[in-house]
Amino acid sequence: DAMVIQNPRYQVTQFGKPVTLSCSQTLNHNVMYWYQQKSSQAPKLLFHYYDKDFNNEADTPDNFQSRRPNTSFCFLDIRSPGLGDAAMYLCATSSSFLSSGTDTQYFGPGTRLTVL
Amino acid sequence: AQTVTQSQPEMSVQEAETVTLSCTYDTSESDYYLFWYKQPPSRQMILVIRQEAYKQQNATENRFSVNFQKAAKSFSLKISDSQLGDAAMYFCAYRSADRDDKIIFGKGTRLHILP
Repeated sequence: DAMVIQNPRYQVTQFGKPVTLSCSQTLNHNVMYWYQQKSSQAPKLLFHYYDKDFNNEADTPDNFQSRRPNTSFCFLDIRSPGLGDAAMYLCATSSSFLSSGTDTQYFGPGTRLTVL
Repeated sequence: AQTVTQSQPEMSVQEAETVTLSCTYDTSESDYYLFWYKQPPSRQMILVIRQEAYKQQNATENRFSVNFQKAAKSFSLKISDSQLGDAAMYFCAYRSADRDDKIIFGKGTRLHILP
């Protein structure tokens, strides 16, 4: 089945130790997103890729970076995790109107990040 | 800027009963899309139902239906015959028809199903 896959599902890191979260998709969608979600809150968009174009939200800290080496994969790098970065990180994909796609975002199961 | 408001942080409903979750939004655009997403305790977000603003007919998906009032900028979700598996966080979301790469979420409503 076509889907959005996130690895790992659970990640534990130490304060200040860099960590990378990964997302892959088999939907062939051209848009990929990274969200941060804290407990009982709405997902907060960090950034997204429209094809190869990177779009950073204005309030996303510099501590967060992203890479998209190809259509299928996208990575979230947290350079120096702080205690406040502990959260669920959700990856999502969609197909833009320009490619006659749908307007729906499809989400992965998320990676829960713990910072010790 | 567009905003989405869900005024009910939590709701409870008896199993087999009907419940309505409310959502209002603010926009100056005439063409857009509205969604309800469900996030069960396992945390994977899934689409429940979507509505195109240019369509007057309310969307329906099995036990889920919406009451879309464009003039009032209201988009409520009705769940009929509630089941234990409906327990989840429900997010209302907005997407512009002009900008096809971002959606705006409301803060969510946590729905409890009482057996």
